[in-house]
Amino acid sequence: ELKVEQNPLFLSMQEGKNYTIYCNYSTTSDRLYWYRQDPGKSLESLFVLLSNGAVKQEGRLMASLDTKARLSTLHITAAVHDLSATYFCAVDTYNNNDMRFGAGTRLTVKP
Amino acid sequence: KAGVTQTPRYLIKTRGQQVTLSCSPISGHRSVSWYQQTPGQGLQFLFEYFSETQRNKGNFPGRFSGRQFSNSRSEMNVSTLELGDSALYLCASSDGWVETQYFGPGTRLLVL
Repeated sequence: ELKVEQNPLFLSMQEGKNYTIYCNYSTTSDRLYWYRQDPGKSLESLFVLLSNGAVKQEGRLMASLDTKARLSTLHITAAVHDLSATYFCAVDTYNNNDMRFGAGTRLTVKP
Repeated sequence: KAGVTQTPRYLIKTRGQQVTLSCSPISGHRSVSWYQQTPGQGLQFLFEYFSETQRNKGNFPGRFSGRQFSNSRSEMNVSTLELGDSALYLCASSDGWVETQYFGPGTRLLVL
């Protein structure tokens, strides 16, 4: 069964600092997603990673994928308050018809 | 382009009833996916449709069903509602398998 673990689940950081959110998954996957959700809002798609070594960056966020380690990271550079949100990773295995989400990382960026 | 729209935005039903939720994707998008979000179970994948065909289905009972029309609009139906079906239901559309998903605002369903 496909399992996805995110850590940390809660992250409080100061503006200007760097940090990384980790997403481990249990079986071979086809797609790895990162999403953002603001309180009371819908999801926003951040990145889709498909292949080993894939790296994508958007502003202060950078996501990478290591399929051999079954690990994806979301790196936050020089955090700002606007990045405060909950971040989810998700993995799907197309042939096995399965998609699972991590529990989410609630990020709070403090001045 | 108009974004993904979902109707209704809020819904209150009682146990045993059925409900139909609607999702209109971004014009030109052929893929529509549905998700359920609850405080207890978190985010769960329901199903994905592409060009009127269900491509993927999550681990939900048969009470949950969906369909996609020729204009890519999608509906999901939940029959014999249970209290545990209370959730935020999200749909997302995309232009293809590797493309970015765009989410609608969601439908909040409360089952009493």
